[in-house]
Amino acid sequence: DVKVTQSSRYLVKRTGEKVFLECVQDMDHENMFWYRQDPGLGLRLIYFSYDVKMKEKGDIPEGYSVSREKKERFSLILESASTNQTSMYLCASSAGRQPQHFGDGTRLSIL
Amino acid sequence: EDQVTQSPEALRLQEGESSSLNCSYTVSGLRGLFWYRQDPGKGPEFLFTLYSAGEEKEKERLKATLTKKESFLHITAPKPEDSATYLCAVQMASGTYKYIFGTGTRLKVLA
Repeated sequence: DVKVTQSSRYLVKRTGEKVFLECVQDMDHENMFWYRQDPGLGLRLIYFSYDVKMKEKGDIPEGYSVSREKKERFSLILESASTNQTSMYLCASSAGRQPQHFGDGTRLSIL
Repeated sequence: EDQVTQSPEALRLQEGESSSLNCSYTVSGLRGLFWYRQDPGKGPEFLFTLYSAGEEKEKERLKATLTKKESFLHITAPKPEDSATYLCAVQMASGTYKYIFGTGTRLKVLA
């Protein structure tokens, strides 16, 4: 079975902190994605990666960066957390045109 | 502009009362359409992929269909455990493996 694991289910941080969200997949998928999900706005793509060390901006990349040093791991970094980054963050992975498979999300609160 | 719209936003059904959820899309070329189920506090769980108009997929009480402009998720004789948010996503034919997500339909099935 497909497994996407996000390192934390809940996280509380302070404004200005640098925040790292980690995601690991065990399916050898080349594509990995970071989304945020907010009520009424649905899932919005922040960044995605189609190969190790490769990345592309999604629809809302401002205030975020990513790192993919190994195929199975994709990290999302909030450079200087702000309260408007409080959200549910979802990681997904896929192979080619196959469906994306999601982790259970990290609910991040910035105080 | 590429867009995915789901309706209704919310739906309450009595157990056994069949209904349909709609996902309409306007994109410049469709590579695939995906249906997901999302339970509160969890990531989306993949249900179906549809690639071409006329295609149908079934799983237990759920049946997904696709036309050139929309997809339907038919729920036959639903049970309370079918209560969830159902998300539709479109993968465009051009460029990368990005999805455009709808904002979902929140389904509540009453016993």
